[in-house]
Amino acid sequence: TQLLEQSPQFLSIQEGENLTVYCNSSSVFSSLQWYRQEPGEGPVLLVTVVTGGEVKKLKRLTFQFGDARKDSSLHITAAQPGDTGLYLCAGAGRGSTLGRLYFGRGTQLTVWP
Amino acid sequence: EPEVTQTPSHQVTQMGQEVILRCVPISNHLYFYWYRQILGQKVEFLVSFYNNEISEKSEIFDDQFSVERPDGSNFTLKIRSTKLEDSAMYFCASSEDRGYGYTFGSGTRLTVV
Repeated sequence: TQLLEQSPQFLSIQEGENLTVYCNSSSVFSSLQWYRQEPGEGPVLLVTVVTGGEVKKLKRLTFQFGDARKDSSLHITAAQPGDTGLYLCAGAGRGSTLGRLYFGRGTQLTVWP
Repeated sequence: EPEVTQTPSHQVTQMGQEVILRCVPISNHLYFYWYRQILGQKVEFLVSFYNNEISEKSEIFDDQFSVERPDGSNFTLKIRSTKLEDSAMYFCASSEDRGYGYTFGSGTRLTVV
């Protein structure tokens, strides 16, 4: 079983602050995907990173895939209340398990006005 | 924007009864998946489906589970004899490529009493 550990589990910050969420594993993944999930809804894909060392930006969100493709980070600049939500990382398996996503437990982010 | 549609949104069933959860994946997607999320736990992979057959299944997906694509648009998950521990949110997803670009549905909340 390939495990993904996310940290921190909970994060509560003021509007305008910066934050970083981490996703770590001892396993190598073919890609790392970040999702946001609202209560009672399905995960919504934010980004997919594929290449070791890859960095992708989505407005104020910056995603990085570790060089060894075992870990990833999500950095949010100048957080806003609208960023509040559950952020999930998920690694895609390799070879015969390419179609399977292994999810982390998520980071619950709260941004206060 | 194309979306994955799941019905029903909520299902309550008695232990031992059969349930069928329904999904309409995005029309040009080729890969279909079922995941589940027990309250307070990680999203877990159940099964992937491609070219009218199961391509991968997890340890959770035992003989009481089955999937079917009865026509060109629907994708179903059947649980033959439900147990209390099957209570969870069940998510259908589809993707154009294996392991990439997932779109999740809003889920079916299954409660077994």
